[in-house]
Amino acid sequence: AQTVTQSQPEMSVQEAETVTLSCTYDTSESDYYLFWYKQPPSRQMILVIRQEAYKQQNATENRFSVNFQKAAKSFSLKISDSQLGDAAMYFCAYSRLVSFTGTASKLTFGTGTRLQVTL
Amino acid sequence: DARVTQTPRHKVTEMGQEVTMRCQPILGHNTVFWYRQTMMQGLELLAYFRNRAPLDDSGMPKDRFSAEMPDATLATLKIQPSEPRDSAVYFCASSSVVDQETQYFGPGTRLLVL
Repeated sequence: AQTVTQSQPEMSVQEAETVTLSCTYDTSESDYYLFWYKQPPSRQMILVIRQEAYKQQNATENRFSVNFQKAAKSFSLKISDSQLGDAAMYFCAYSRLVSFTGTASKLTFGTGTRLQVTL
Repeated sequence: DARVTQTPRHKVTEMGQEVTMRCQPILGHNTVFWYRQTMMQGLELLAYFRNRAPLDDSGMPKDRFSAEMPDATLATLKIQPSEPRDSAVYFCASSSVVDQETQYFGPGTRLLVL
């Protein structure tokens, strides 16, 4: 079974600074997807970024980027130029590769990291 | 702007009452998931459907929960009778044929059972 571990329950960053959230996972599969979801106080789960394991290039989305280390099974999220609106719970999630297999993916979530952004 | 929608957003009910939550997946998405989020258990997958057919509902308490997808634009989750331990946020998510791995979540239904 796959597991996802987020070892930082809480993090804090000053506005305009950079912060990195850590995530490690365990799987015996070679093809899979990894995601970061953001959950602000509104409770909405917002997809921030995703990474396909077969891609060596790290994914980026504006101020958000990942550091994907497949051998180490590590998938960290870097937020640059932090803004007050970035304050939220961040969940790391894993999915098997299932497209075109006739099955559906089950997301395995970590326990989350609460990010505070201070002035 | 394609989004998953859920109704109601908030529900307060008394123990023993029936609760029905509704979800409209993103148009064209063929897989729908129901999750429950609590402080103690985190995010739990309750059930999911592919092309309206249930694929897996092993995460759902069968005695009181039921999930259906009467058509491609509507999924429902019912709790009958509701209990205080069912208080949680219930999320619906959907994914598309060409990108099954990426799930897009609705805003959730916050349920409080008194």
